[in-house]
Amino acid sequence: DVKVTQSSRYLVKRTGEKVFLECVQDMDHENMFWYRQDPGLGLRLIYFSYDVKMKEKGDIPEGYSVSREKKERFSLILESASTNQTSMYLCASRTFRAGRGAGQPQHFGDGTRLSIL
Amino acid sequence: AQKVTQAQTEISVVEKEDVTLDCVYETRDTTYYLFWYKQPPSGELVFLIRRNSFDEQNEISGRYSWNFQKSTSSFNFTITASQVVDSAVYFCALSPFNNAGNMLTFGGGTRLMVKP
Repeated sequence: DVKVTQSSRYLVKRTGEKVFLECVQDMDHENMFWYRQDPGLGLRLIYFSYDVKMKEKGDIPEGYSVSREKKERFSLILESASTNQTSMYLCASRTFRAGRGAGQPQHFGDGTRLSIL
Repeated sequence: AQKVTQAQTEISVVEKEDVTLDCVYETRDTTYYLFWYKQPPSGELVFLIRRNSFDEQNEISGRYSWNFQKSTSSFNFTITASQVVDSAVYFCALSPFNNAGNMLTFGGGTRLMVKP
C-alpha cells in the first residue's frame, strides 16, 4: 500500500514564525501536491511538484513556498505565518509515467491541522 | 476554468437508508476524469473511484454505485443500505485528461452522517 506520511497531525505556531510542514511518500511517485482544506471550500491546491527540484504554483500559492530536494520528500513552508493560514493541510502523491496517463489517483496523508495564534 | 459543485453540504440518514450524494461539474475539456474520495474522521482522503469522460457506463461496487451522466454534467454517488461506518465527508473531483500534474478541482464536500 502507498504510504504518505505528514510529520505532524497537530501544530500550533505564532504569527510571524517560519513554519515547515513535511511530507514523505514511500512509493517512488513522481508527482507530489500540497492542499489546504477549509470548511465549505473543499481542497485547494497550493503547490505541486512534477518531480525532484520541480515546482508549480497552484490556485493559492501566496504566502507559501515549497521545496523538493529528494523524490520522496515535499516540504511546504509558510514564510511568515499569519492567522488566515490556520487550516488543515493535506499532502498527496501520485505516479505519472509515460503511458499511464493523467488518471492515476492521488494518495493522501492524514493531514496536519495547523493553528496560527 | 473547471468547477465542481456539491450542493449538499450535510446529509443525515438513519442506518439502512439509501442515500445519494450529488456532484455537478463544469469544464471546457472534451475529455476528463472524475473522482470520488472519502474522508473519514481520521482525516486521510481515501480514493473510491475514477471515471473517464468517454465511459458513461455506470458502476457498482458492493453497496456503492455511481451514475455518470455527461448530458447533465453530473456524477452522482449512491450508498445503498447505509452503515454507521459510511459517516464521512465525501468529495467529488475533476481533472483534465491530458495533464501531467493531474490537477484536481475539488467540490466543497458533503458531510454524511449515518445514525444507528
